Amino acid sequence: NAGVTQTPKFQVLKTGQSMTLQCAQDMNHNSMYWYRQDPGMGLRLIYYSASEGTTDKGEVPNGYNVSRLNKREFSLRLESAAPSQTSVYFCASSGWGSSYNEQFFGPGTRLTVL
Amino acid sequence: AQTVTQSQPEMSVQEAETVTLSCTYDTSESDYYLFWYKQPPSRQMILVIRQEAYKQQNATENRFSVNFQKAAKSFSLKISDSQLGDAAMYFCALIRKKSSGDKLTFGTGTRLAVRP
Repeated sequence: NAGVTQTPKFQVLKTGQSMTLQCAQDMNHNSMYWYRQDPGMGLRLIYYSASEGTTDKGEVPNGYNVSRLNKREFSLRLESAAPSQTSVYFCASSGWGSSYNEQFFGPGTRLTVL
Repeated sequence: AQTVTQSQPEMSVQEAETVTLSCTYDTSESDYYLFWYKQPPSRQMILVIRQEAYKQQNATENRFSVNFQKAAKSFSLKISDSQLGDAAMYFCALIRKKSSGDKLTFGTGTRLAVRP
């Protein structure tokens, strides 16, 4: 039982390049989330998927797209990376009726855009 | 809109002593959950303790306890017998109580240093 996994752990991009961050969970959770963490700002929600087949914008969706590929996987795509997207990205998941609506986090991806 | 405020960017405690981290929040919801997460240098977000707004009893997990004051919208974390391994960023977070698919609202964090 790996929980929430993310790939890659580190990535360096040049401005204008594209990439996809991958996330998978093996807890049979319905909901999945993408957050970004910037210094001094805590974690902010980018996009989320309440259930398979649905996605919704969070606080900071500009410059990102997501795909809920199936119940297990939720990817985050940067079509044209910008230096402002340099951040640490966390994927999380939660299940229907889970205790306290608890979200389980992946290990994070540190992205640098030059 | 929900907000979470952590007014202490940095705190320091002597090993074996007790420290309290502050958190205040604002929400129009009557039922919600509150959390404290620990983030060590490894970046992993680790759930430390959680509290349901409708439960008056303060949550306790071993050396960690909270002081939940619903009327004042305050949710502080007390760490007793501090250990070197407690050094980390601590985040307070809030979520509405619903079936699923809602976001956590985080504070900006408190960096805790533990002096040997």
